[in-house]
Amino acid sequence: ETGVTQTPRHLVMGMTNKKSLKCEQHLGHNAMYWYKQSAKKPLELMFVYNFKEQTENNSVPSRFSPECPNSSHLFLHLHTLQPEDSALYLCASHSDGGRAGELFFGEGSRLTVL
Amino acid sequence: EDKVVQSPLSLVVHEGDTVTLNCSYEVTNFRSLLWYKQEKKAPTFLFMLTSSGIEKKSGRLSSILDKKELFSILNITATQTGDSAVYLCAVLPNSGAGSYQLTFGKGTKLSVIP
Repeated sequence: ETGVTQTPRHLVMGMTNKKSLKCEQHLGHNAMYWYKQSAKKPLELMFVYNFKEQTENNSVPSRFSPECPNSSHLFLHLHTLQPEDSALYLCASHSDGGRAGELFFGEGSRLTVL
Repeated sequence: EDKVVQSPLSLVVHEGDTVTLNCSYEVTNFRSLLWYKQEKKAPTFLFMLTSSGIEKKSGRLSSILDKKELFSILNITATQTGDSAVYLCAVLPNSGAGSYQLTFGKGTKLSVIP
């Protein structure tokens, strides 16, 4: 248990659906991240929020839309996805007072796009 | 562009064996190198190595950073089935940003058989 909770754990959606992934942390961390993990590829950073402000958007397609209403919650809104978007989506957080680069990851949301 | 290459991509050993996992990197303005263990879904932090700490030990696991040759190794002695996991290497640049722009390798999948 890392203190970062993601829901749902599994999601199957069609290309025309709209769904959302949720991430919640109660560690008092100020920064939250979305990563994408595809088979045989490195973890890819998608978005970063620091004190609720988006600080990074790594050229992610607009069909992925993040939302960070407060420092404890992070959402990833999904719409009109493609089959190649099927992957494990990991949320992470960090504290400024922690070790440099130490992220606390959630268990991930396994997304399948049909 | 920062780059991390891990080898081997997969490894099968017997319990009690000693293994060495490799990580080479290229990064602009190096800050730290990190090792994570991913057993099922959530990667968990193992080590952070910086210019001021080139070797870390934690029980049967140890890691060395060679800043001149730009690589790190992760050693696991007396392996156990519980060590079976994907081991991820990542580098963190000194960007001055408040968030961590980690670049990950593809990982080494270690399988320890009884």
